[in-house]
Formats: sequence, C-alpha cells, structure tokens
Amino acid sequence: DIQMTQSPSALSASVGDRVTITCRASQSISKYLNWYQHKPGKAPKLLIYAASNLQSGVPSRFSGSGSGTDFTLTISSLQPEDSATYYCQQSYSGYTFGQGTKLEIK
Amino acid sequence: QVQLVQSGAEVKKPGASVKVSCKASGYTFTGYYMHWVRQAPGQGLQWMGEINPISGGTRYAQKLQGRVAMTRDTSASTVYMELSSLISEDTAVYFCARVHVGNSPIDYWGQGTLITVSS
Repeated sequence: DIQMTQSPSALSASVGDRVTITCRASQSISKYLNWYQHKPGKAPKLLIYAASNLQSGVPSRFSGSGSGTDFTLTISSLQPEDSATYYCQQSYSGYTFGQGTKLEIK
Repeated sequence: QVQLVQSGAEVKKPGASVKVSCKASGYTFTGYYMHWVRQAPGQGLQWMGEINPISGGTRYAQKLQGRVAMTRDTSASTVYMELSSLISEDTAVYFCARVHVGNSPIDYWGQGTLITVSS
C-alpha cells in the first residue's frame, strides 16, 4: 500500500498568515493527489484535485502544487473559517489518506 | 442536487456484524463508484474500499480484507457496507462517498453514520 505522510501534524497561525502543509508519498503517484478540509461533525470537503486544480466554489486563497512524491497545500491569507483538519489523499493506487494536519487560528 | 443519505447510528457488541446503507439521489447512480471512509474518535480518515455500481466489483483496503463487504442495489440506488467480527477499534463514523471514475477525487460525501462497538 502507498503511505502518505503529512507535516506538520498541527499548526497554529494568525489571520492573514500564509500557511503551507506538505504531503509526501512513499512512492511516485504522479499527480494523483487530492486535498480535503474536514471540520468536526461535517463531511470532508474537496479543495484541490490532481495536485493543483481548485475545486469549483473553493476560495482562490487555496492552492496546491507538486508531483511524484512531494506535494504542498498553501493558504495564501488565512481566514477564521479555515480552522479545520486538512488531509491529503492519493488516488494513484487505491485511495490512502495522510494522517491529517490540524490547523488552529491564533 | 446530489445527495447521499446514510442509515442511522447503531450500537453493536464485539463479534457482531453491522450493515450501513447509503442511498444516492440527484445523479445517475451507475455513473459513479461509491467508496467508504471511516474516522475513529480522535483519528484521521481511513479509506475502506470501493464498489463499481455497474458490475458490483469491489476493491478493499488490505487491513479490512475478509471482514468488509460492499454491495449495491441498482434498482434502489443504494449501496451497502457490511463489517463483520466487530472489535472496539471499529467504533467510528462511517462515510459513503462518490467518485466519478477510477483515480478521481471524492466529490460528494454522505452525512456519516456512527457505529459504536461496546459490550
């Protein structure tokens, strides 16, 4: 199975900050990498698909990059409503999630 | 609009089985795979497997092989996930989730079903 490793596991940032979350795959997954936002008590929400494509309706402050084994999710200007846990997920071979990054707003 | 409506919460004893349903509406049922994902308390998301709504073919996470079974009823636009030989670590919220074609992301999720395994 392909393993996905996210870092950091948690971070705290202020409104307006630029935030970056990284995700590493245990083998090359080309661009089959998706990012989700998950808030407690709700279903996860797709933010970015195929590494760098913004899902319809998602604010443009979210962006993704990378290919092969290394990927990043960037929030360009953090907003209060961005407090959530973020997961990367590979869909190259089966589907595997990273362990999540809990983002807190200071 | 696309909706995935899951069955309600259940409490099960260790060793028992549970079957969760997910009824789809608002789109062509046979045009999308259905996946199942779970989240144990305080833990991350875990992919469980997928079912092809046309053929009924399945693919399961290695960790759950032999204990999980996914089926579908195309006439009712409903998929089912059955998990057997339950242990306390199976306590989790279970989500069904729609995927367009192979390798695509999950674009719609059910509301989640809490399964509690407790003696």
